[in-house]
Amino acid sequence: AQSVSQHNHHVILSEAASLELGCNYSYGGTVNLFWYVQYPGQHLQLLLKYFSGDPLVKGIKGFEAEFIKSKFSFNLRKPSVQWSDTAEYFCAVNSYNTDKLIFGTGTRLQVFP
Amino acid sequence: NAGVTQTPKFQVLKTGQSMTLQCAQDMNHEYMSWYRQDPGMGLRLIHYSVGAGITDQGEVPNGYNVSRSTTEDFPLRLLSAAPSQTSVYFCASSYPMAGGRGYGYTFGSGTRLTVV
Repeated sequence: AQSVSQHNHHVILSEAASLELGCNYSYGGTVNLFWYVQYPGQHLQLLLKYFSGDPLVKGIKGFEAEFIKSKFSFNLRKPSVQWSDTAEYFCAVNSYNTDKLIFGTGTRLQVFP
Repeated sequence: NAGVTQTPKFQVLKTGQSMTLQCAQDMNHEYMSWYRQDPGMGLRLIHYSVGAGITDQGEVPNGYNVSRSTTEDFPLRLLSAAPSQTSVYFCASSYPMAGGRGYGYTFGSGTRLTVV
């Protein structure tokens, strides 16, 4: 069965610090990978997604993620965070041959000015 | 506006009451699903449907029923609400990507349910 692990449950940063959130998945086949963001009181928004091709994916608001197949990882990065990046971030995986989207437990990011 | 519409946005129930959370999409997507979001547990799949007349259980189906009489609608029913069902509920619809490369997803804005 597929599973997604996000090891950082709560991350606290100052503005301008660099961010890297870990995401590992377990599934032997071909997968699509997603990062979603949920700002306080709002619903899920898609940050970026990887389907195929260049393993370095750029998303909205300066976020990027790198798919490393050998490590089953899809870590989210941002060189310099802003206070407005305070949110919860979810990694999700969907395999080619199933309709199900499996989420990680989420990482809460707090950015202080 | 095209997308996934959930109603209500907020609801408070007493233990034992029943209610239906509504979900509708106008994108003609075959696949629809319900998730619940709880602190520290991410989003967990409750039930899903791969088309009208077809439903199946997800990871946490107990206490919930679904039906799919039309492509557009996928209501989630709580037959006898319990405090453990206090959560935020998200409905999603999805479509197959070109080339058989899995599915893309659209989420609703969520329903915040409190059971007292």
